Amino acid sequence: NAGVTQTPKFQVLKTGQSMTLQCAQDMNHEYMSWYRQDPGMGLRLIHYSVGAGITDQGEVPNGYNVSRSTTEDFPLRLLSAAPSQTSVYFCASSRDYRTDTQYFGPGTRLTVL
Amino acid sequence: GQQVMQIPQYQHVQEGEDFTTYCNSSTTLSNIQWYKQRPGGHPVFLIQLVKSGEVKKQKRLTFQFGEAKKNSSLHITATQTTDVGTYFCAGPISSGSARQLTFGSGTQLTVLP
Repeated sequence: NAGVTQTPKFQVLKTGQSMTLQCAQDMNHEYMSWYRQDPGMGLRLIHYSVGAGITDQGEVPNGYNVSRSTTEDFPLRLLSAAPSQTSVYFCASSRDYRTDTQYFGPGTRLTVL
Repeated sequence: GQQVMQIPQYQHVQEGEDFTTYCNSSTTLSNIQWYKQRPGGHPVFLIQLVKSGEVKKQKRLTFQFGEAKKNSSLHITATQTTDVGTYFCAGPISSGSARQLTFGSGTQLTVLP
């Protein structure tokens, strides 16, 4: 099993550009989520999904869109990148958000100029 | 909303000294999870505590869940350089339609040789 994979590992954008961060898991997990990590701020939830076709907002959803058309994939779209979105982004998956281990991907380091 | 707070934010210790990080929730948690993130890496699950007053040990690491299930601690005995990293606690939220795992802000541990 590859676990949770994320692409790209690094990305530099200019303000106003859009892009999609890819996340895939091969563990047949129903629950998937996106976090951003900034110094001193811990992990903040952006969006999450409890299954294919179902998504919901987390703590910091503004400027991001998600969709979940399959169990395996959960892409995160930045609509119009801003410098405030410079961060490290982690995707995670689990069988259940409440009681199961969260498996994290390796992360995407995004810089917006 | 529900918050999970963690202190201290940073801790520097000499190798061989003990280390403790504390986690507090504004509401009762059904369980609490602990994760470790090495520098440049992604969070990795360490343990889950479920029962009131539960204590679990992993070699030099001791995890406790408070009697009221609103606080938890991680204690490392005789730190080693391999303990360097950021330690996060996380608790599940189910409020209304929300199904989230909320992370504390983390404690960054530096071990000086």
